[in-house]
Amino acid sequence: QSVLTQPPSVSGAPGQRVTISCTGSSSNLGALYAVHWYQQLPGTAPKLLIYGNTNRPSGVPDRFSGSKSGTSASLAITGLQAEDEADYYCQSYDTRLSGSVVFGTGTKVTVL
Amino acid sequence: QVQLVQSGAEVRKPGASVKVSCKASGYTFTTSDINWVRQATGQGLEWMGWMNPKSGNTGYAQKFQGRVTFTRTNSIATAYMELSSLRSDDTAVYYCARGRYFASQSPQTVLLDYWGQGTLVTVPS
Repeated sequence: QSVLTQPPSVSGAPGQRVTISCTGSSSNLGALYAVHWYQQLPGTAPKLLIYGNTNRPSGVPDRFSGSKSGTSASLAITGLQAEDEADYYCQSYDTRLSGSVVFGTGTKVTVL
Repeated sequence: QVQLVQSGAEVRKPGASVKVSCKASGYTFTTSDINWVRQATGQGLEWMGWMNPKSGNTGYAQKFQGRVTFTRTNSIATAYMELSSLRSDDTAVYYCARGRYFASQSPQTVLLDYWGQGTLVTVPS
């Protein structure tokens, strides 16, 4: 029932670049609402990774970058490392759901 | 440093209620909303709603309207989430998270910058 769609999984070898897409609609990303990204390591709480489409909180490596265009957003991980193996979620806001926070379906990143 | 520490795991029978606490430290409790998010085992994140600790105002996701209540005790910087009429599909980890508003060349959204460690609520079928 998520209104933001992500691929279930992506994988890459150490050192490679992977991207995760987040596809929305005119009532969320297309309405200019910003996208935020979270990383959830196994067995832990989510952690804010990217906010406002492109900004990294203090302490987040610059290997992580975000972008947004129209009704889609992307998270890129360059120089993939073993510790990047986690679930990643995009998050925004949707006007149709009484002004509601919405999460993406989530993407499992596997480091080969 | 900002910390949100949640209460321990709970087991409830179907039809019962559960109340989870979230104690904040490292910042002024009344200056940021508290949001609640849940995650069933192996599933994604599901937003439940928010509460403003200063005013007590709340907003609930449509799915949980009438079944969830957010409250707080400001003197001990603690927020609470109570879910009633529990069903087996309410079995999940429940997280509290601090909300921060973001608006830069875009309409205002909320981001969740600090999260509690999660509380497992189990409702056996």
